[in-house]
Amino acid sequence: GENVEQHPSTLSVQEGDSAVIKCTYSDSASNYFPWYKQELGKRPQLIIDIRSNVGEKKDQRIAVTLNKTAKHFSLHITETQPEDSAVYFCAATAYSGTYKYIFGTGTRLKVLA
Amino acid sequence: DTGVSQDPRHKITKRGQNVTFRCDPISEHNRLYWYRQTLGQGPEFLTYFQNEAQLEKSRLLSDRFSAERPKGSFSTLEIQRTEQGDSAMYLCASSLREQGRQTQYFGPGTRLLVL
Repeated sequence: GENVEQHPSTLSVQEGDSAVIKCTYSDSASNYFPWYKQELGKRPQLIIDIRSNVGEKKDQRIAVTLNKTAKHFSLHITETQPEDSAVYFCAATAYSGTYKYIFGTGTRLKVLA
Repeated sequence: DTGVSQDPRHKITKRGQNVTFRCDPISEHNRLYWYRQTLGQGPEFLTYFQNEAQLEKSRLLSDRFSAERPKGSFSTLEIQRTEQGDSAMYLCASSLREQGRQTQYFGPGTRLLVL
């Protein structure tokens, strides 16, 4: 069935360093890949997304890359700050039917000051 | 706040009781989703509405679960005869097709604890 694997499950970085989170999806029909940030006790918030016709997208310190052949996509955060500490989820969906999201299991990012 | 809202935010109930949660989506959004999130996991899809029609239900949604969206606006999720395994965060999300993508906006969730 549809599946999204996400690694690592936890990630600690020093403030100012970069963080990379990787996801792999199984459904070749997937063509939209959002990333959500969830702080403790709060709702998931969209931080960046990418469509399958684009290989990379950047928004200030955040970037996402997509390799459709390998079914991999990654989140890159540069110049990390303590407020980047949160759980990050990747998701995949296809432009058909319900557009339901299949989420990864999450990465807990801790930025050490 | 014009985002997705959910009520209640927290619910503690005893095993065997029925509970009902409400979700109010962003007003112009025609698509509404329910997800369940357990500790340390990503949200898992439960069901989906387009306007008032329930178009897909996950295998996770046993016959004790029922969801409605009677007028294509707010939605309710009812769990009958709750079990301890139902303890989780129940998230609602809504979306509107824009620029060829289906961005879902999430509510704050209802955290359910079944004792």
